[in-house]
Amino acid sequence: ETGVTQTPRHLVMGMTNKKSLKCEQHLGHNAMYWYKQSAKKPLELMFVYNFKEQTENNSVPSRFSPECPNSSHLFLHLHTLQPEDSALYLCASSQAQGSIGSPLHFGNGTRLTVT
Amino acid sequence: ELKVEQNPLFLSMQEGKNYTIYCNYSTTSDRLYWYRQDPGKSLESLFVLLSNGAVKQEGRLMASLDTKARLSTLHITAAVHDLSATYFCAVGEYGNKLVFGAGTILRVKS
Repeated sequence: ETGVTQTPRHLVMGMTNKKSLKCEQHLGHNAMYWYKQSAKKPLELMFVYNFKEQTENNSVPSRFSPECPNSSHLFLHLHTLQPEDSALYLCASSQAQGSIGSPLHFGNGTRLTVT
Repeated sequence: ELKVEQNPLFLSMQEGKNYTIYCNYSTTSDRLYWYRQDPGKSLESLFVLLSNGAVKQEGRLMASLDTKARLSTLHITAAVHDLSATYFCAVGEYGNKLVFGAGTILRVKS
């Protein structure tokens, strides 16, 4: 596989459930990102990892917990979500911080519905 | 705090016509990107603009950057139906953080 792969593509969960989103990149990049895309709102950056270290947490509620075990894999652990958390969650990767001009490469996203 | 504004947010155009999408941003930046998103699909990188006066062209799309005016434009020449998509500009803040505009939904009618 090439590019950025996200699983699952669709997820429906109740507010008391715990689930995880997975992202894998095969581009040799060292930076990975989680973005949230809601209807009628701009893409919102959630987290940034450079070389497995979290370098940005954009004031994200603690019910979202990221994990980056290595430069190729990124997870987003979800627990006790709210209906307003329903959105498309996009993972992206790029060359690491400091590589000005490196565009982000996005996965196809996970469409999350919280009931 | 960096703010990015795109306009228009929705654009309906006839095939064969020309039009421009604008991206304004509020603070100095050293990089600007344009992305395309088809319905139900991911974002695809179109252009990377790194310097004042930079101009990039790919097919019927041309992007330019004026860092003094804090303005980028995406010009569409002789639109075709296949260009229908949502177009985003994204501006670099500190580190590798990007701030995205709201997106412009483009519909090309035959």
